[in-house]
Amino acid sequence: QVQLQESGPGLVRPSETLSLTCTVSGGSITTSRHYWGWIRQPPGKGLEWLGNVYASGSTYLNPSLRSRVTISVDRSKNHFSLKLDSVTAADTAIYYCATMGSLARRPTPDSWGLGTLVTVTS
Amino acid sequence: QPALTQPPSVSGSPGQSITISCTGTSNDVGGYDFVSWFQQHPGKAPKLLIYDVTDRPSGVSDRFSGSKSGNTASLTISGLQADDEAVYHCCSYTNYPTVIFGGGTRVTVL
Repeated sequence: QVQLQESGPGLVRPSETLSLTCTVSGGSITTSRHYWGWIRQPPGKGLEWLGNVYASGSTYLNPSLRSRVTISVDRSKNHFSLKLDSVTAADTAIYYCATMGSLARRPTPDSWGLGTLVTVTS
Repeated sequence: QPALTQPPSVSGSPGQSITISCTGTSNDVGGYDFVSWFQQHPGKAPKLLIYDVTDRPSGVSDRFSGSKSGNTASLTISGLQADDEAVYHCCSYTNYPTVIFGGGTRVTVL
């Protein structure tokens, strides 16, 4: 069973870049046949999909955030990463990484990491 | 504003059945049989209950079932139990491809 663990700073200053990594254990990104994704949840609110990355490095990004989001994969470290530029308080959220489409026929979320809270504050 | 519409709350007594709706458009729920449902307990990550409208992952109770009619998908919880008290999120694949969620429904067991 694949396990996912998010890591990165819990505090980010406004206008700076949020950077998170999702480390995969119990499975290989290189040999996977599904996507890997990032999803966030502002405190007390609903879920928002940020984007997916495939082992090849190809990505699909949420159109509303595309100008600020970068998702990449490092197969040698078996992890994938999220960068969100020019953050504001509205980007304060729990950030989850997930497998996308390992069960479903399309890349919708399956297994989730535990999540990490990122607070944007000066 | 969430892309998919869910009722904010649904409640039921132990042993009863409840149904949560998730309404989208022909571009998402109505156009694809790729709707998922997640259960989220407080302070926990979402857990997959249903994928591809009706399929359950291994280990998920058969008290949870999914269906779809037109632009509305539904999750039914039968034999309601205290541990079912949680927030339930729906999710749909769309074109591009992207993923959209509903706003979540809080289930209360009376």
